[in-house]
Amino acid sequence: AQSVSQHNHHVILSEAASLELGCNYSYGGTVNLFWYVQYPGQHLQLLLKYFSGDPLVKGIKGFEAEFIKSKFSFNLRKPSVQWSDTAEYFCAVNARGGNTGKLIFGQGTTLQVKP
Amino acid sequence: GAGVSQSPSNKVTEKGKDVELRCDPISGHTALYWYRQSLGQGLEFLIYFQGNSAPDKSGLPSDRFSAERTGGSVSTLTIQRTQQEDSAVYLCASSLTAASYNEQFFGPGTRLTVL
Repeated sequence: AQSVSQHNHHVILSEAASLELGCNYSYGGTVNLFWYVQYPGQHLQLLLKYFSGDPLVKGIKGFEAEFIKSKFSFNLRKPSVQWSDTAEYFCAVNARGGNTGKLIFGQGTTLQVKP
Repeated sequence: GAGVSQSPSNKVTEKGKDVELRCDPISGHTALYWYRQSLGQGLEFLIYFQGNSAPDKSGLPSDRFSAERTGGSVSTLTIQRTQQEDSAVYLCASSLTAASYNEQFFGPGTRLTVL
């Protein structure tokens, strides 16, 4: 079955700490990978995405993620978090090349950054 | 222009009643998706529409759920004989086309509470 697993459900960090959120997927085929973020009171928005090419992708606000095919992983990283990064983060996949963008999401990770 | 809009923002209903949730996609976007965000369940795909093609209903949890999209624009998600387990945030997203690489833009959601 297709699934996405996010290992950390709730992460608490102090400002300037480094962040890594885990994401593993199970999908029978080639995938596109996404990280979405939902800031308090705001809409879900795209943080970054991987389709092909360089497995290290950079997104908005200093975030990056690395696709490791052999590990079926797409972990999200940021070297130094800020209080404004407090949000819920979702990893998602869909089938590459298909005619549907239907996304399979992980359960989400709530990040709380203490000032 | 405007982003994806949804109405109502909140809906409280009694068990057994029918509810209708509305989504206005971004103008020009041919693909429209419905997702559900339940407490502790993350986001799950419900249904998607692409132009005039038959919708992909594979994510609808029961036959009490249905959706339509009129004129290739506005969509309505209907839940008949609501149950308490239907309580969730219902999110709508649209994208330029249903191609898997297209970014999906999400609306603010409708929070449904079934008493």
